[in-house]
Amino acid sequence: TQLLEQSPQFLSIQEGENLTVYCNSSSVFSSLQWYRQEPGEGPVLLVTVVTGGEVKKLKRLTFQFGDARKDSSLHITAAQPGDTGLYLCAGAKKTSYDKVIFGPGTSLSVIP
Amino acid sequence: DTAVSQTPKYLVTQMGNDKSIKCEQNLGHDTMYWYKQDSKKFLKIMFSYNNKELIINETVPNRFSPKSPDKAHLNLHINSLELGDSAVYFCASSQDPGSWVAGGHLSYNEQFFGPGTRLTVL
Repeated sequence: TQLLEQSPQFLSIQEGENLTVYCNSSSVFSSLQWYRQEPGEGPVLLVTVVTGGEVKKLKRLTFQFGDARKDSSLHITAAQPGDTGLYLCAGAKKTSYDKVIFGPGTSLSVIP
Repeated sequence: DTAVSQTPKYLVTQMGNDKSIKCEQNLGHDTMYWYKQDSKKFLKIMFSYNNKELIINETVPNRFSPKSPDKAHLNLHINSLELGDSAVYFCASSQDPGSWVAGGHLSYNEQFFGPGTRLTVL
């Protein structure tokens, strides 16, 4: 059973376009993270959001955590070829030992 | 300096063989993980160790046996390899396992991943 869903699964856009990737769940998470994974490499953490409604910006990337802490979005402004990669959201629950649950990922391709 | 390293990068072997993957982190973290990423890129946790103690053991065949000689190392040994074991295996580490308990310390379990080991079973 997939606790985290991501949409779209695949996204191919032209350089300069804007895009939004969504991460949804029926579960409440204490924190939610976004990772980017490039081909042949491991995921790299982009951001962690912990407060419902929180918005964080990382240059051209804007991350939002839903008010109910069940969903999140990643918006990229003026996408560049260097943004190409697999974007993974990951949720953690507040327990003694967190088990981070990863979403299935959104594969983004930015065409020059 | 490499934070989380894995060896080997690629591993091609025959069905039925036994193989090991090694992982080391130089970040001083207490917690280490093994993940399996299948052909559809789905990343699923297999094991987690905190200070050499097993804390997460997902539904993984007992042919997979992790070993943590110290908190900087977490190795994965696989017996009797099967075709379905083909995947990319990632090691990761985090400062701690995500406990909010001790002294109000906040932890978000931010994980640092190794480059992965692509295992192909023929």
